Amino acid sequence: EIVLTQSPDFQSVTPKEKVTITCRASQSIGSSLHWYQQKPDQSPKLLIKYASQSISGVPSRFSGSGSGTDFTLTINSLEAEDAAAYYCHQSSSYPYTFGQGTKLEIK
Amino acid sequence: QVQLVQSGAEVKKPGASVKVSCKASGYTFTSYGISWVRQAPGQGLEWMGWISAYNGNTNYAQKLQGRVTMTTDTSTSTAYMELRSLRSDDTAVYYCARDYGDLRDWGQGTLVTVSS
Repeated sequence: EIVLTQSPDFQSVTPKEKVTITCRASQSIGSSLHWYQQKPDQSPKLLIKYASQSISGVPSRFSGSGSGTDFTLTINSLEAEDAAAYYCHQSSSYPYTFGQGTKLEIK
Repeated sequence: QVQLVQSGAEVKKPGASVKVSCKASGYTFTSYGISWVRQAPGQGLEWMGWISAYNGNTNYAQKLQGRVTMTTDTSTSTAYMELRSLRSDDTAVYYCARDYGDLRDWGQGTLVTVSS
């Protein structure tokens, strides 16, 4: 099973700040890494697919990069509405796995 | 637009079974798989398994093997997830998601509470 480790677990940030969340895989997964945002009492929402591909309707301040074992989700110019938990997910091989999540708090 | 509508909340006793449904619309059901993901209270996301809506092939998480069965009904574009021998640590919100590698659309979630 591929283990995904996110960092940090928690971050408190101010609006307009740039945020970087990393996801490290226990073995190479190519670009089969996806990012989701989950707000309280809501279903997860796909933000970035296949490491860096944007999703229609997702604000352009969200971007992804990386391949192999190291991946990054970047949020440029954070907005108050970005307070949420963020998860990475790999679909390179079964079983699919998720990172443990990163909770973003807006100061 | 794509919609995945799940069945309502359930309360079950330990040892019982639960079957959650997920009705899809807005796309060709048999062109995608469905993954099931659960989330225990205050916890992260856990992948449970996948089913091909095209041919019914499945792939389950090892820890649930023997207790979970995923099926589809292509005539109604509905996916089902049955979990048996429920325990208290199965209490969670259960989600279905349209699977294209990425999980691009999600149901609203079904809360399953296991309590004596």
